[in-house]
Amino acid sequence: SAVISQKPSRDICQRGTSLTIQCQVDSQVTMMFWYRQQPGQSLTLIATANQGSEATYESGFVIDKFPISRPNLTFSTLTVSNMSPEDSSIYLCSVVVVGGPSREADTQYFGPGTRLTVL
Amino acid sequence: GQSLEQPSEVTAVEGAIVQINCTYQTSGFYGLSWYQQHDGGAPTFLSYNALDGLEETGRFSSFLSRSDSYGYLLLQELQMKDSASYFCAFSSGGYNKLIFGAGTRLAVHP
Repeated sequence: SAVISQKPSRDICQRGTSLTIQCQVDSQVTMMFWYRQQPGQSLTLIATANQGSEATYESGFVIDKFPISRPNLTFSTLTVSNMSPEDSSIYLCSVVVVGGPSREADTQYFGPGTRLTVL
Repeated sequence: GQSLEQPSEVTAVEGAIVQINCTYQTSGFYGLSWYQQHDGGAPTFLSYNALDGLEETGRFSSFLSRSDSYGYLLLQELQMKDSASYFCAFSSGGYNKLIFGAGTRLAVHP
């Protein structure tokens, strides 16, 4: 398994500002992902964070709005840029661990999430 | 396109058995996962089926029929702590990218 931490756990931000969310894992992982979850809703994949290269974004999400970095195998950041109230959501990172049995390779572990409110 | 359908809500009593169904549609499919999420918490992995059949993990079992694009999560001996949202998700694209269903909110009553 993997222990994942996210910072900040929550924040209240003003419209037009940007927030960077950090995700730290305690072990080396193959894949890191960023999801968004609005209260009471499902999880929507924003992008795959690729180590040392540009993230791979899902339809409806763009790099200018959600720039992502992944400088090494255990750390990634997601920035929510030029925020509006529609960006109010929970942002979660998830990881796939390295080197486990096949079932481990198919298992994603989620961080505790960052609850963002934009005023 | 890619989609999953599951019931929005299920209610059951303690000690009972409940089945949460999930049907999916996708052109590329590698397996069906189930996650549990308590209010305010992170999703936690429950079960994964890559092949047809039943996978059992304690009180929880999961079933997959690839030919029917259908799976279910079976929860036995329900406890109050099982009250949570349950999401089915499929792996698509061959590199663990998960697409989630809308979730089923399970309420367990005494």
